[in-house]
Amino acid sequence: DTGVSQDPRHKITKRGQNVTFRCDPISEHNRLYWYRQTLGQGPEFLTYFQNEAQLEKSRLLSDRFSAERPKGSFSTLEIQRTEQGDSAMYLCASSDLSVSYEQYFGPGTRLTVT
Amino acid sequence: GESVGLHLPTLSVQEGDNSIINCAYSNSASDYFIWYKQESGKGPQFIIDIRSNMDKRQGQRVTVLLNKTVKHLSLQIAATQPGDSAVYFCAENSGYSTLTFGKGTMLLVSP
Repeated sequence: DTGVSQDPRHKITKRGQNVTFRCDPISEHNRLYWYRQTLGQGPEFLTYFQNEAQLEKSRLLSDRFSAERPKGSFSTLEIQRTEQGDSAMYLCASSDLSVSYEQYFGPGTRLTVT
Repeated sequence: GESVGLHLPTLSVQEGDNSIINCAYSNSASDYFIWYKQESGKGPQFIIDIRSNMDKRQGQRVTVLLNKTVKHLSLQIAATQPGDSAVYFCAENSGYSTLTFGKGTMLLVSP
């Protein structure tokens, strides 16, 4: 199956530590998105890439959050100096705008900050 | 223990009933809308979409209705099955082809 994959699926970390999550989009998709989802809420948009260019990052939650997509394929989302409020599900999605606006989501990475 | 934030509107139906899930969106300039289904522990899964130049679109067992006058979307599921139990989100294209999601509705289907 060539769906969106995310790694790890679960991450438990102590407050103050840095964490990095990886997303592998569907291979022919040039758009890649990161969302955060807290319990009982819909996904909240964070940032997105068109190939390797990060076209929108003003919605990243703080300067502790950063994302990269160095070769226009996989992407990483890093959170520095984690706080308990960062505990959430981090979702990645990809799309091919030449086909449709539909975004295909991965299974997410569940982050717990203790 | 209790999960903080789990105050989703809930729709409970019997298997075989038709279900209607409603959503109000915020941006009158949005030109594209999607319904997603999310099962516990999984990412959202596409159900059906509709562009703003349409009022209705049908898929397999699902229909989406769009009322731009009152900024309202609905998802109709025919002959609801236990496998339809999940949280349903509407999302609108809010610019740059990014999506703004609504709060979600939990659908519970009893056999």
